[in-house]
Amino acid sequence: DQQVKQNSPSLSVQEGRISILNCDYTNSMFDYFLWYKKYPAEGPTFLISISSIKDKNEDGRFTVFLNKSAKHLSLHIVPSQPGDSAVYFCAASGSQGNLIFGKGTKLSVKP
Amino acid sequence: KAGVTQTPRYLIKTRGQQVTLSCSPISGHRSVSWYQQTPGQGLQFLFEYFSETQRNKGNFPGRFSGRQFSNSRSEMNVSTLELGDSALYLCASSLMFTGVDTEAFFGQGTRLTVV
Repeated sequence: DQQVKQNSPSLSVQEGRISILNCDYTNSMFDYFLWYKKYPAEGPTFLISISSIKDKNEDGRFTVFLNKSAKHLSLHIVPSQPGDSAVYFCAASGSQGNLIFGKGTKLSVKP
Repeated sequence: KAGVTQTPRYLIKTRGQQVTLSCSPISGHRSVSWYQQTPGQGLQFLFEYFSETQRNKGNFPGRFSGRQFSNSRSEMNVSTLELGDSALYLCASSLMFTGVDTEAFFGQGTRLTVV
């Protein structure tokens, strides 16, 4: 039973446009959410996080939105750049510890 | 500041053998977590160690085990290897145990192939 779901395995976006990656979760006890980016043959790299007491967190071109009532979060990348092409993982953490990851969304940004 | 170091980077083993993977966390980090990544399955949590104690364990068979040393370095062992154990094994370190508003930093992983 997947507690963190990324329903879109892939997403293709034109350079300069907005990329929106979505993530849904089922466990209302999750209190911290993170996004990681992964290039082939490398480990995931932390991008941005959000605590459950907030509904938005922004860091440069990256913004994460959290909708607790819908158990949904999204990552917005504006403007998208070819170097953003990677697999993006959404992760959630509860008070028991350990991160629970979605299966990832492969983002392709076309020049 | 050195990142998370995993050794070896690549490994080929035969079914039935055992393997030990190593992870050196970022200096000062006390928590080490291990994940298995296979195609289509994302990252699946194996276990987490904090101050030499296993805090949490994922849903993997007992063939998967780990330990953490006093210098926070961690090892993961898989005994009686099966073909399905072929995966990228990732180690992540964090200052505190995960779940306390702290992000985890990942190593490059060890690519294990079982033949």
